[in-house]
Amino acid sequence: DTGVSQNPRHKITKRGQNVTFRCDPISEHNRLYWYRQTLGQGPEFLTYFQNEAQLEKSRLLSDRFSAERPKGSFSTLEIQRTEQGDSAMYLCASSLVRGLLRDYGYTFGSGTRLTVV
Amino acid sequence: AQTVTQSQPEMSVQEAETVTLSCTYDTSESDYYLFWYKQPPSRQMILVIRQEAYKQQNATENRFSVNFQKAAKSFSLKISDSQLGDAAMYFCAYRINNNDMRFGAGTRLTVKP
Repeated sequence: DTGVSQNPRHKITKRGQNVTFRCDPISEHNRLYWYRQTLGQGPEFLTYFQNEAQLEKSRLLSDRFSAERPKGSFSTLEIQRTEQGDSAMYLCASSLVRGLLRDYGYTFGSGTRLTVV
Repeated sequence: AQTVTQSQPEMSVQEAETVTLSCTYDTSESDYYLFWYKQPPSRQMILVIRQEAYKQQNATENRFSVNFQKAAKSFSLKISDSQLGDAAMYFCAYRINNNDMRFGAGTRLTVKP
């Protein structure tokens, strides 16, 4: 396992089109997180999954955004009817949480850079 | 709401010198975790160091150490013997239990040869 993998690395799309990103976490990690990072800013939380359950969604995640993790392994983030304001780096991270065992940070992927023109 | 503030958008340091990056946070929780992440240009975020709030001892990882002042809600990162490879964006982050992590806006560190 070489870490968290995100595809594609770059995506250019026209405004109004739909896009889908994929994240493959570290195989034994049960939690998967999506963040959005705009230029010059820190990552902003979007949503996270524990196994296949989506446990929390940020108010940043409008109804045009949907995320899934159907089998508790890889996850997809879809943006419908893209807008120029959606242009950002979309980061995925994973971690392992077991009961009361605390985990200490995420392993991040390299991100998918979305440009909406 | 929990917030993380990094008041230094940019910092520079001479190679082999020491630099300190500042971070403050706002929370009403007593048990939480603090992190510093490094993000080199066009590369992924890498965990530099972490601190558990219930531990009084400051965390250290080789040339990286923190000054954790819980009462002041301050969590600064000290990089000793700076190297050219330390040049990156540095993000301070805060996390309660196993919930999501909140990041500051980042500090861009330049290392001058």
